[in-house]
Amino acid sequence: EAQVTQNPRYLITVTGKKLTVTCSQNMNHEYMSWYRQDPGLGLRQIYYSMNVEVTDKGDVPEGYKVSRKEKRNFPLILESPSPNQTSLYFCASSFRRSTYNEQFFGPGTRLTVL
Amino acid sequence: KNQVEQSPQSLIILEGKNCTLQCNYTVSPFSNLRWYKQDTGRGPVSLTIMTFSENTKSNRRYTATLDADTKQSSLHITASQLSDSASYICVVILTGANNLFFGTGTRLTVIP
Repeated sequence: EAQVTQNPRYLITVTGKKLTVTCSQNMNHEYMSWYRQDPGLGLRQIYYSMNVEVTDKGDVPEGYKVSRKEKRNFPLILESPSPNQTSLYFCASSFRRSTYNEQFFGPGTRLTVL
Repeated sequence: KNQVEQSPQSLIILEGKNCTLQCNYTVSPFSNLRWYKQDTGRGPVSLTIMTFSENTKSNRRYTATLDADTKQSSLHITASQLSDSASYICVVILTGANNLFFGTGTRLTVIP
């Protein structure tokens, strides 16, 4: 089944403890991105990647890192999480960066930073 | 400033009734507009994608319309079902760019 998977689905952590949220897609998509969703704000893009070893900042990249060593994986790294990063995170992928390609979203990761 | 505004914020309707959700945008230059359905606790799922030259597009009981002149789109749901209860998100994409502009969504609740 074609899908985007994220792990973990739920995570509670404390301020300053490094964490990684994994994202994997099995559709051979070139383009992957991370979003956060907060009440009243809609989805905001954190980082995106157009292909292996090519990443760029989105609208709200502060406090996050990403890497794209393999085409299928695009982990989101929080080196020193803070409470304002408590949010619902979505990974998404599409065939290419083209504006006409549909984006497929993962199931989401709910992160709480205490 | 590029913005996408949706109305209403929330809506409650009886099962079997129709409803219409609105999306107004100021994004320019416009490439395409998408409607997504997001069930609680899950990722958004695409319902329709419309380019600037398309006025209407249907997907089962969902019909999206687009007026590129007035920069308005609507999503009409026919004969609503309990499973239609979800948030519906309007997304507008800039021409030639990666920029996606998300609305904050309309929370629809269908009651028996």
